[in-house]
This record gives sequence, C-alpha cells and structure tokens, in this order.
Amino acid sequence: RKEVEQDPGPFNVPEGATVAFNCTYSNSASQSFFWYRQDCRKEPKLLMSVYSSGNEDGRFTAQLNRASQYISLLIRDSKLSDSATYLCVVNKSGYSTLTFGKGTMLLVSP
Amino acid sequence: EPEVTQTPSHQVTQMGQEVILRCVPISNHLYFYWYRQILGQKVEFLVSFYNNEISEKSEIFDDQFSVERPDGSNFTLKIRSTKLEDSAMYFCASSERTSPQHFGDGTRLSIL
Repeated sequence: RKEVEQDPGPFNVPEGATVAFNCTYSNSASQSFFWYRQDCRKEPKLLMSVYSSGNEDGRFTAQLNRASQYISLLIRDSKLSDSATYLCVVNKSGYSTLTFGKGTMLLVSP
Repeated sequence: EPEVTQTPSHQVTQMGQEVILRCVPISNHLYFYWYRQILGQKVEFLVSFYNNEISEKSEIFDDQFSVERPDGSNFTLKIRSTKLEDSAMYFCASSERTSPQHFGDGTRLSIL
C-alpha cells in the first residue's frame, strides 16, 4: 500500500463549484498533516495544516479522521486561480521527513 | 514575506560531473531539507539537516550525495558523480521547527 494515496484526477469543475479531495495514509504513527498546492513545474506551497478538530481558511476546509487514516480538503466557490495540483503531505511524530502523495489535479474552467 | 531562495534555477551537466546546488533558507529557521521531484512523479525526501549535522536521510541519499552549511546563510547539496537518473527538480526547504516546511522555487537539474 502506498504511504500517501490520492486520486490523481483531473477534477474538471466550473468556476463557483465546490470540490472535495480525499487522501489516505498508511502509517498510523503519522502526526502532522498538510495540504500543499503545486503549480506546473513550480515548488510546493503550503496551503494549510490539518488539525484533528478540522479547520477552515477562507474557502478551504480541511478534515482529519485518524481512525480511518483519511484527510480531506474542500474548496468552495472555486476560482480559476485554484487550478493546480493539490498534494496531501504527512510526517511522523518526532521525524522531520515529509511524505508526499502524488497529488490531485484540479482544473477550474470559466 | 521571507522566502527560501535557490540557485541556479537550471543546471545542465554532463554525466559523471560533480554538481553543487545552493540554497539560502529563511533566516530564523533551524531545520533544512532537500527534496527532489522527477518529472511526473511525487516529491521525495532526500535529507534533513539540523544543528550542523544530518538528522535523517532517505535511501536515495547515498554516498554520492552530501550536504553542507558552509556559512551562516547557505545550505548546499553536492552530487559527486552525476547519473542520468539524477535529472529532476531539486527543492530546498526550511522550517523553524520540524514543520511546516517552506520550499524554495527549485533547481532543475538536467544530466546529459
């Protein structure tokens, strides 16, 4: 089983749509969770950390289910500028190594 | 907003040559990292560095690779004898504690 697994997409949505991405991770010792976004051939940029209680940042909502080892990202009112690859990232307690999923591509069209 | 800077943006090297990739982490950060991303694949961890020594490294980071913090600002990755399969984007990252990590815009390494 892959350490961090994501649906590669692409997800094609119109502007204004709500879209959700899911991610599963295999290592139950994982402690910290993040969503990064990556534009084509650019660096990963931190979108948000994911907390156990769930957290929201503007149009973005992240949820964590430790029992199911599952992380989600919800984007409301999609903008053209949201088009990117969304990377699910985890790291283990006490370790600095980030383990990346391969990413889910989102394409928002006018 | 402070950022991680990397040079060069693109490096073309003959197979078997040595290459040094340079990074200037964010100034108050204490943890430094190198990752790589082969075209079309996921980002992979190479090495982390803290308190002037390697704290973790992956299987990819074999004895052809080394890291150094030669002064108070730079953090370098050296590949001693490059192979074709070393062609990738190399990202430097830094963090104040172990997370979250902030990435530089990468060096594209092309081995001919």
